Amino acid sequence: NAGVMQNPRHLVRRRGQEARLRCSPMKGHSHVYWYRQLPEEGLKFMVYLQKENIIDESGMPKERFSAEFPKEGPSILRIQQVVRGDSAAYFCASSPWTSGGYEQYFGPGTRLTVT
Amino acid sequence: QKEVEQNSGPLSVPEGAIASLNCTYSDRGSQSFFWYRQYSGKSPELIMSIYSNGDKEDGRFTAQLNKASQYVSLLIRDSQPSDSATYLCAVRSGGGTSYGKLTFGQGTILTVHP
Repeated sequence: NAGVMQNPRHLVRRRGQEARLRCSPMKGHSHVYWYRQLPEEGLKFMVYLQKENIIDESGMPKERFSAEFPKEGPSILRIQQVVRGDSAAYFCASSPWTSGGYEQYFGPGTRLTVT
Repeated sequence: QKEVEQNSGPLSVPEGAIASLNCTYSDRGSQSFFWYRQYSGKSPELIMSIYSNGDKEDGRFTAQLNKASQYVSLLIRDSQPSDSATYLCAVRSGGGTSYGKLTFGQGTILTVHP
């Protein structure tokens, strides 16, 4: 039973480039969440998506960041024109539709380094 | 006041002892509470969830919830060196579109020494 999958695991981008992070939820899970963990800081919620819908994007920076979860394929977190402050670990989590407690299971993360 | 606050660490206990990790939260509407373990350089791993007042036991782990005091704790019995990690308290608040959002504490670093 495969867990949450994320790729790439490590991503290096130069300032001004675009970063695309992918997340495939666990089998049977239809809810996807993105979190960011900055060095020496805690995990911060970014966005919550269901298939073809953004449910809550209250944690997303207003500019340069976007997320989608299409009907087919993985969820994508896109960061345009990256800056050094975007360097962080980005984690995706998923939960099943029927989970009353909304237990979220995390993927291995993508470590983004902006040079 | 931070939304979710954990007892400051690091916490160091000898092997075989009980490790006690504490967490308080500010939103009285919070409904679900979770403990995650995160090893250095790895992703958070769910170890306990608790939704109602009282104790919940799973192996060597016991979670305790007191909604009136807005307090949740995690006890680890017979601590092992492999339990050495950062423990994250996470809280899911109530309604609206934010029902999916987990708010995390800053984490408590636990070291179990032989």
